[in-house]
Amino acid sequence: LAKTTQPISMDSYEGQEVNITCSHNNIATNDYITWYQQFPSQGPRFIIQGYKTKVTNEVASLFIPADRKSSTLSLPRVSLSDTAVYYCLVGDILNAGNMLTFGGGTRLMVKP
Amino acid sequence: DTEVTQTPKHLVMGMTNKKSLKCEQHMGHRAMYWYKQKAKKPPELMFVYSYEKLSINESVPSRFSPECPNSSLLNLHLHALQPEDSALYLCASSQVGAMTQYFGPGTRLTVL
Repeated sequence: LAKTTQPISMDSYEGQEVNITCSHNNIATNDYITWYQQFPSQGPRFIIQGYKTKVTNEVASLFIPADRKSSTLSLPRVSLSDTAVYYCLVGDILNAGNMLTFGGGTRLMVKP
Repeated sequence: DTEVTQTPKHLVMGMTNKKSLKCEQHMGHRAMYWYKQKAKKPPELMFVYSYEKLSINESVPSRFSPECPNSSLLNLHLHALQPEDSALYLCASSQVGAMTQYFGPGTRLTVL
């Protein structure tokens, strides 16, 4: 699986848009990008997954540039309940998807 | 039903005890996983079961013994653990090969 690099932590305020960037320079052609959210003492929760350009769901948007060497998770108008750790994972969902290797993650703190 | 359940939520055991962690899902997933997570660290993969057969063992000590009795259940048998094994143990399930895994809430294990 491709190695990922994320900021260790980020601070934001309620109502702001938060963008968390993940670098994955050695992403392979068949790799997808997946983001998980984890609250304290809970299991990670799938947020969004994409291959290229932009993906949007009811929770977040995922922006992937043409070279796919990075991706940005965008959380619109965050609230205090969005305080969590966000993990970016990269892998081939058809062949190596069974092995989820979590990187360090980004600890997001949303302040009032 | 998109829920993975784990029991117990908390477990305290001595180093000579034998205990088991249980995990259950009814989403029809044929891949199930055990992860270990220490405080402020990302989850680390321990075992993967595909179609009720152990497919990946990430060099986990033999004091941890997984079991998959059927496609809905996953157990982790614990024996002669060490204090450093204290952690949050997470169970997850997915379609075989998928990167979208569904995690349970975890069992908080304390080894005295």
